[in-house]
Amino acid sequence: EPEVTQTPSHQVTQMGQEVILRCVPISNHLYFYWYRQILGQKVEFLVSFYNNEISEKSEIFDDQFSVERPDGSNFTLKIRSTKLEDSAMYFCASSSLSGIGYNEQFFGPGTRLTVL
Amino acid sequence: AQSVAQPEDQVNVAEGNPLTVKCTYSVSGNPYLFWYVQYPNRGLQFLLKYITGDNLVKGSYGFEAEFNKSQTSFHLKKPSALVSDSALYFCAVRRSGGYNKLIFGAGTRLAVHP
Repeated sequence: EPEVTQTPSHQVTQMGQEVILRCVPISNHLYFYWYRQILGQKVEFLVSFYNNEISEKSEIFDDQFSVERPDGSNFTLKIRSTKLEDSAMYFCASSSLSGIGYNEQFFGPGTRLTVL
Repeated sequence: AQSVAQPEDQVNVAEGNPLTVKCTYSVSGNPYLFWYVQYPNRGLQFLLKYITGDNLVKGSYGFEAEFNKSQTSFHLKKPSALVSDSALYFCAVRRSGGYNKLIFGAGTRLAVHP
């Protein structure tokens, strides 16, 4: 069964450093998302991406964040200068295109980001 | 604004008994409703969804959920719980149309005891 994969599973970085989280969505999916879950809190939407551009972003997704689909398979989230409060589990998700967009989103296993 | 409430942090049930995990929502327009499950150190796994039609939807692993428009609820149910059902369950809502984001509830931890 096809699945979303994410690397690395755990990333430790120093405050102020840049990190890139990588995702490989399901191959025939066209919509891509990033969510995050701070320990003990709810899953929060960060950004959605379609047709090589951001379709929606939350207030969390400020200028320190960027997303890219550098080739036909990868989808990346970059944090330019990490802060302590960026420590969280980051989930990538993808969904297919069908009708009015009610298809479920399939999630990857997550990358745990720890900022020291 | 869209929101999802899961009023119980934890639900405890004995194996073999029926289980219910509650969810209420607030969204403008017609809601699309989802349940996801998260096992330790794993991502979110899709269980089931309500888009339109029959208010009772069936999903993976014997789970089902009932959409109640008047009560704006979408409770997750299973007739007979298994110990292996123990996990964190998330209810989510999205607005109809397009590629809209999911809004998640805080999650409910289900503990099924032998």
